Amino acid sequence: GAVVSQHPSWVICKSGTSVKIECRSLDFQATTMFWYRQFPKQSLMLMATSNEGSKATYEQGVEKDKFLINHASLTLSTLTVTSAHPEDSSFYICSAHPTRIGYEQYFGPGTRLTVT
Amino acid sequence: SQQGEEDPQALSIQEGENATMNCSYKTSINNLQWYRQNSGRGLVHLILIRSNEREKHSGRLRVTLDTSKKSSSLLITASRAADTASYFCATGGSSNTGKLIFGQGTTLQVKP
Repeated sequence: GAVVSQHPSWVICKSGTSVKIECRSLDFQATTMFWYRQFPKQSLMLMATSNEGSKATYEQGVEKDKFLINHASLTLSTLTVTSAHPEDSSFYICSAHPTRIGYEQYFGPGTRLTVT
Repeated sequence: SQQGEEDPQALSIQEGENATMNCSYKTSINNLQWYRQNSGRGLVHLILIRSNEREKHSGRLRVTLDTSKKSSSLLITASRAADTASYFCATGGSSNTGKLIFGQGTTLQVKP
């Protein structure tokens, strides 16, 4: 149990285009999902907290108009990188926090984005 | 923003040896978790220790937490080549929003 999937697992896009990444909790409901970005050989940087039915909360320095987050249901959050640039190339990882009380988070396998 | 510092940044040991990684953090926490990440993959949850706990074991893993020093350690005993990965500590705040702040990570190489 407690599986989180991400789609796509990797994507290459041209500069200026938009890319949507999906994060799904497959066998549990998640009121809250988190989006992280990880550059090569670095740690995970929290980008935003995605709450079902409400606006996402962005960390300082993360442009909310560039990284659009939608949490339309208790099992799906999407991250759209708008007008992508080469510097947006990174590994994007989501995690899901189960609705029940607890501290566990379950991480997706990540999405490798390359912007050419 | 990053919460914690981990040391060492990189660690190379022989199979069978023990590996110890340390993590320090800055603010009050509710819990501290350790994760493993194989190269280019997602994170695997290893162990969670609550702020009122001092030590926890899980198989070959032993985690300690010293809230007075704001530090934690992860010990992997009898290491195996398959333990080669990056290890991250992550702290959960007192508000229990589920939000985690990750440390810089330790890259462990276990040589067969």
